[in-house]
Amino acid sequence: AQRVTQPEKLLSVFKGAPVELKCNYSYSGSPELFWYVQYSRQRLQLLLRHISRESIKGFTADLNKGETSFHLKKPFAQEEDSAMYYCALGGSGGSNYKLTFGKGTLLTVNP
Amino acid sequence: DTAVSQTPKYLVTQMGNDKSIKCEQNLGHDTMYWYKQDSKKFLKIMFSYNNKELIINETVPNRFSPKSPDKAHLNLHINSLELGDSAVYFCASSVTGGAGNTIYFGEGSWLTVV
Repeated sequence: AQRVTQPEKLLSVFKGAPVELKCNYSYSGSPELFWYVQYSRQRLQLLLRHISRESIKGFTADLNKGETSFHLKKPFAQEEDSAMYYCALGGSGGSNYKLTFGKGTLLTVNP
Repeated sequence: DTAVSQTPKYLVTQMGNDKSIKCEQNLGHDTMYWYKQDSKKFLKIMFSYNNKELIINETVPNRFSPKSPDKAHLNLHINSLELGDSAVYFCASSVTGGAGNTIYFGEGSWLTVV
């Protein structure tokens, strides 16, 4: 079974402060981890995928298989980062592939 | 040039009605999905189709019936709408449905049942 836990429902920081959105997963196979972002009343957009090891909009995330975590980090938060962030786990490769989402963390960056 | 498009974007309807949400993707993907986002913003998969064939059905009530006339379209028909069906429904697509592929989402359809 696939499971994603985002322990923080809400996270509020000030502009310029570091931010870390936590994500833990449970999966018996080889996981694929993603972060999606949803700005107010918009579609979900892919922010990061762990296999790319890239930085988007200053965000990074490292897959830690030992801790089964994929935390999202940004050293200096900006007001435009305010959004809902979802961690997602892809598994069961093949035609029955699906993404299992965490419950999301609403990030608010205050001026 | 929208990749995954859904219509309508907003839908308000009465209990007991039947309604459909249409979805089209122009990415050439062969797997399409429907996800439901409830009032608490929780996202859960409902269905996936691969080349017009139903692959995933996550214990969704029979009142929900997806239809895929071709691999670029996946429509969602809902019979006898209930108050609890109020949610945002997201259509999505990916290349093969296998690991390593990105899932792209539509803009969502806001359904309100009154």
